Amino acid sequence: DVKVTQSSRYLVKRTGEKVFLECVQDMDHENMFWYRQDPGLGLRLIYFSYDVKMKEKGDIPEGYSVSREKKERFSLILESASTNQTSMYLCASNKQGPAGELFFGEGSRLTVL
Amino acid sequence: DQQVKQNSPSLSVQEGRISILNCDYTNSMFDYFLWYKKYPAEGPTFLISISSIKDKNEDGRFTVFLNKSAKHLSLHIVPSQPGDSAVYFCAASGGSNYKLTFGKGTLLTVNP
Repeated sequence: DVKVTQSSRYLVKRTGEKVFLECVQDMDHENMFWYRQDPGLGLRLIYFSYDVKMKEKGDIPEGYSVSREKKERFSLILESASTNQTSMYLCASNKQGPAGELFFGEGSRLTVL
Repeated sequence: DQQVKQNSPSLSVQEGRISILNCDYTNSMFDYFLWYKKYPAEGPTFLISISSIKDKNEDGRFTVFLNKSAKHLSLHIVPSQPGDSAVYFCAASGGSNYKLTFGKGTLLTVNP
């Protein structure tokens, strides 16, 4: 069964802390994505990567960075967490080429106090 | 600028009746459209898709209709079941773009 696994389902952090969200996929997909979901705002793309060590900004990259050292792993980093980064974070992946079906992880609910 | 719009934040229907969820888009480059379903505390799951070369695609109780001239698509669920209660996201992509652009979602509630 194909899978996208996010390391933490629930996290609580304090303002100013550095936060790492890890995502691993076992489908040998080239493309990986980080979205955040907020009520009334839908899914917004933070960053994506179409190859190892490659990354591109999405629609809301401010306050975030990413790392893709291996094909199967894509990490989202909040250098200094702020309360407005409290959200549900969703990792996804798909095959190389034009966007098609995305496979999502179960999400990481981050609360920043 | 919102390129994919789901103008109804919520929809409530009776079990057994038809659910119709609507989606409009503004970008003429979009040529592939998808619907995702999301339960609380879970990631979205793919439901059905349609290419711009078609105007209809069916999969069991789910049918997606595409009207390119109106830049409008809709998802029909017949018959609706309580287990269909979820947030439904419309998404679109175009050309060689790697990204999917999502709408804000519609919360469907199917009442027993």
